[in-house]
Order: sequence, then C-alpha cells, then structure tokens
Amino acid sequence: QQQVKQSPQSLIVQKGGISIINCAYENTAFDYFPWYQQFPGKGPALLIAIRPDVSEKKEGRFTISFNKSAKQFSLHIMDSQPGDSATYFCAASLTDNYGQNFVFGPGTRLSVLP
Amino acid sequence: NAGVTQTPKFRILKIGQSMTLQCAQDMNHNYMYWYRQDPGMGLKLIYYSVGAGITDKGEVPNGYNVSRSTTEDFPLRLELAAPSQTSVYFCASSPRQTYYNEQFFGPGTRLTVL
Repeated sequence: QQQVKQSPQSLIVQKGGISIINCAYENTAFDYFPWYQQFPGKGPALLIAIRPDVSEKKEGRFTISFNKSAKQFSLHIMDSQPGDSATYFCAASLTDNYGQNFVFGPGTRLSVLP
Repeated sequence: NAGVTQTPKFRILKIGQSMTLQCAQDMNHNYMYWYRQDPGMGLKLIYYSVGAGITDKGEVPNGYNVSRSTTEDFPLRLELAAPSQTSVYFCASSPRQTYYNEQFFGPGTRLTVL
C-alpha cells in the first residue's frame, strides 16, 4: 500500500514534443505528490508538486494532472528540450503528526533528442 | 547558504568495515532524511528525523544507525559494511511542514563495498 508505481521506465522524445510520465498509488491517505528531477551525479531537485484538492497544476512547460478517483497522477512536459534530459521521480507523501514519509517511484529516464 | 552538504563524495569499503556518512544543512530545517538509491530504483528511506534528539526508522533501516544531536547535522553510521550496502546515499532536509513540503537534497555519497 505504500508503493508508488511509475511508467515508463525510459522515454525518448524529439525536441519540441510532449513527454508524459505516469504514476499510480494505492494509499488514499497520501496528501502530497511531488515530482523530482535528477541530473547525472546530482541529487534530486523538486520540479513541481500538487495536493489532492486540485486536479491540475501548471508551472511553465511542466504540468501535473491529478486523478484522485483513479489514484493516478502524471507529469506532462510541453515543448520538451534537450536540457530536460534527466531522470524524473514521482513521489507521494503522508503528512502525519510525526513528520513526513515520502515514497518515491522507481524513476523515468527521459532523453530528448535534438 | 551552502544548502545540504554531504561528505565524502565517494568511498570504497571492505566487507566488515564501518564508516560514517556526514550530512549538514544550514537552512535551519527541522526535518532531515537519509535515502539510498540503487541503480534503476527509486529512493528508499533509511532513517529520518523531525528535530534534534528525535529519529525514526524508514523503509530500509537494517545495517544503519543515525543520531541527531544538533539541528544542522544528521550523520549516518554503517556498521559491518556488506556488499548489499553498495549504493548512492542522499541526505535531504525540509522545513517544518508547509503546504508544499519540498525536500532539499545533497549531492550524494557513492559507496562501494567490496
């Protein structure tokens, strides 16, 4: 129930195309869903995040779509650029009185071809 | 601000040796975390802390120990290193719970146990 599933494992997109990464969760108590971006040799960095009270959040070329009933959320990268080539992790967090427990998906390696 | 710093960046251990991975943050964050990242896998939570003197186990705590004597530092101790502990270790921190609970990650420590 603590698992977060993520697909695809890898993705190749042409420059200017749309990249879509999907995640699914089981635990309905999760209340925070971030996406992290990781470049080789670096730590992950927060890209965009959403809470279940909204169905979509957009920041620049990045959009999270959230479907609470289906327990799914996805990251859309519009006008993908070679600089977007990185590994993307979705995560889910359960906020309780003791702190935050984050569960990460296995990651998607995105390659954007010039 | 230096953010989250980790030392060392790389380390090779022999089976049975012990070592401490250092983590420090200068953002006055209450929450700190240790994750391990295995190839092709997401981040797995080892231990976390909600403040000085308070720590708790995450998903994969066996073979590790932590302490949190100050807000700034959160060292991870490996006792009796095993090949299964070969991984990249990330330390992260986050402020007291806000609407968007961003975790700030360090650059990681790549550990090999031979």
